[in-house]
Order: sequence, then C-alpha cells, then structure tokens
Amino acid sequence: DAGVIQSPRHEVTEMGQEVTLRCKPISGHDYLFWYRQTMMRGLELLIYFNNNVPIDDSGMPEDRFSAKMPNASFSTLKIQPSEPRDSAVYFCASSRTGVVEKLFFGSGTQLSVL
Amino acid sequence: DAKTTQPPSMDCAEGRAANLPCNHSTISGNEYVYWYRQIHSQGPQYIIHGLKNNETNEMASLIITEDRKSSTLILPHATLRDTAVYYCIVRPPSIYNQGGKLIFGQGTELSVKP
Repeated sequence: DAGVIQSPRHEVTEMGQEVTLRCKPISGHDYLFWYRQTMMRGLELLIYFNNNVPIDDSGMPEDRFSAKMPNASFSTLKIQPSEPRDSAVYFCASSRTGVVEKLFFGSGTQLSVL
Repeated sequence: DAKTTQPPSMDCAEGRAANLPCNHSTISGNEYVYWYRQIHSQGPQYIIHGLKNNETNEMASLIITEDRKSSTLILPHATLRDTAVYYCIVRPPSIYNQGGKLIFGQGTELSVKP
C-alpha cells in the first residue's frame, strides 16, 4: 500500500488567497484526521471524519477553514482567505475501525502564507 | 482523557537501550497508553500501545507499572535513526467514546548520539 498521500508537499501563497490541501487515505480505512503542526502549538487536531462524515470539527480554528470528504478515497482542507498565521505543516492521517487509535500519517503539506 | 507528563529531552548512546518515561497518574481503568514518534520532517508514526500488561513488538517494548500511573517505552538498541520526538498519549479506546481522537502533547525529544 502506498500509505496516506498528501498533496502538495509544499505550498507558498500570498495572504488572501485560497489554499486547498488534498489527502488520499489508505484504502479500507474509514477514519480520516486532519492535524496542523507549528512550533508554538505543536500538533493540533483540526477535524476528523468517519465513513466520510465529519464527527468532530471543534479544532477548526475559524470559519476560514473548511474540510470535506466527498468519498472514501479523498479529502480536502481549504483555507479561504489565507493569513500568515496559517503557516504550518498540515498532516492527514487515516485509521480503521477496530484499531482507530493506530493512525497512519502522510508526509504533510508545508504551507507558507506570505 | 488523562494528562501525561514527559521529560522534554533525553540523550542516549547509540547501541544502548533508550528508556523513555511517561507519567499518567490520573489514568482511569479503561484508558490505554499509546506511543508515537515523529522523526524530523515526517509525520508521526505509531509505535505501540497497551492497557496493563507489558507489550513488545518489532519496534519497542512498553512497560506499564502495576498501578498504571506510569509507563516506560524501551528501544532496546537505539540507533541514530531513532532520533525523534516521542509522544505518550493516554485515552480510552474508541469503543467507549466516539472516534479515535488522539491529542498529542509536547513529547520527549530523544537524541541518539554516536
């Protein structure tokens, strides 16, 4: 299996622009998580899905952030409009029922908002 | 979920055992102990988890004290590639509450030195 695939690996954008991060979970996994990591705040859980349905989005910082999972093999995290404080590494992870806490993480997207 | 306390950093000589402690004095009866690590510029990686018995896999051993208030992750023969941040997380399994939400703390930065 190719593991969790995230794209792009790096994204540089200007303040105010829309940013879309993409994730393909491991086939057969029914849980998907979006995390954000910064030096100041560490790893923060933003939102997670079960069977494509958002279960807990309490970590989403503002209305500028939105996440979707249109099918079992694809999810997006969108920031509109982006701000410099959104600069971080964004990780996607997936897991499956029965061993939900055994997360498999992608390589992350390094986002820089200028 | 129970709070965990880990030392911010530790050193270990290459080839020696690395023993990483974690205190979780408020752990409750149905909460498991999970360990992850994050190598620089990569996503976190699951290592091992346990409830009350000691556990071992190809990566590490997990020793949980009888009162379950603390645990130790053991890397039996540390290599330079084990240099990473190690996270100890305590939470009930997903069957007891909704989802497998994992909250990462600051972890222990382990430096394996030649």
